[in-house]
Amino acid sequence: AQTVTQSQPEMSVQEAETVTLSCTYDTSESDYYLFWYKQPPSRQMILVIRQEAYKQQNATENRFSVNFQKAAKSFSLKISDSQLGDAAMYFCASTRLTQGGSEKLVFGKGTKLTVNP
Amino acid sequence: GAGVSQSPRYKVAKRGQDVALRCDPISGHVSLFWYQQALGQGPEFLTYFQNEAQLDKSGLPSDRFFAERPEGSVSTLKIQRTQQEDSAVYLCASTPETGIGYGYTFGSGTRLTVV
Repeated sequence: AQTVTQSQPEMSVQEAETVTLSCTYDTSESDYYLFWYKQPPSRQMILVIRQEAYKQQNATENRFSVNFQKAAKSFSLKISDSQLGDAAMYFCASTRLTQGGSEKLVFGKGTKLTVNP
Repeated sequence: GAGVSQSPRYKVAKRGQDVALRCDPISGHVSLFWYQQALGQGPEFLTYFQNEAQLDKSGLPSDRFFAERPEGSVSTLKIQRTQQEDSAVYLCASTPETGIGYGYTFGSGTRLTVV
């Protein structure tokens, strides 16, 4: 079965510092995408960053970047210059083909990030 | 609409009651997904629609769960004879195409509590 593992249930960081959230995954898909989603208390899942597995270059979005190690099946998220608004649950996810031909997401259990002022 | 809208935001049901959860996706989005998120867990896939066709329902936990999208827009997730283990947040998401390259747009979910 396809799995996504987030080994850090909770992390904390000082405002303006850098933090890295870990994620490993296991997939038999030859082509897939990887995502980091943020879920604040409002419950809405917000896309933070996406990575196409066939691309070697690590994705970046402003203060957010990933370290994608395909052979190791590792996909960590680095948040630079952390802000109070970054506090939330963060979920790592990978795609898996559905029976209908589209792709569904397989999520990890999440990491709760606290940002200290 | 501008985003994915779900209603109600909260639902409390007595064990054994039937419930219906509504999802209004972004206009024109072809694909619609339902996920179940238990407390302290990541979301888990329930079912997938491409327009009005339900192409994958492999994640539905029992035959008490039923989903429909009759006109290819609004979708309803129905749970019959609710049980305590059905308590969770139910998330709906949509994408404009059948692929997922750009990720989903999620709604804010319905929190179902079965007492």
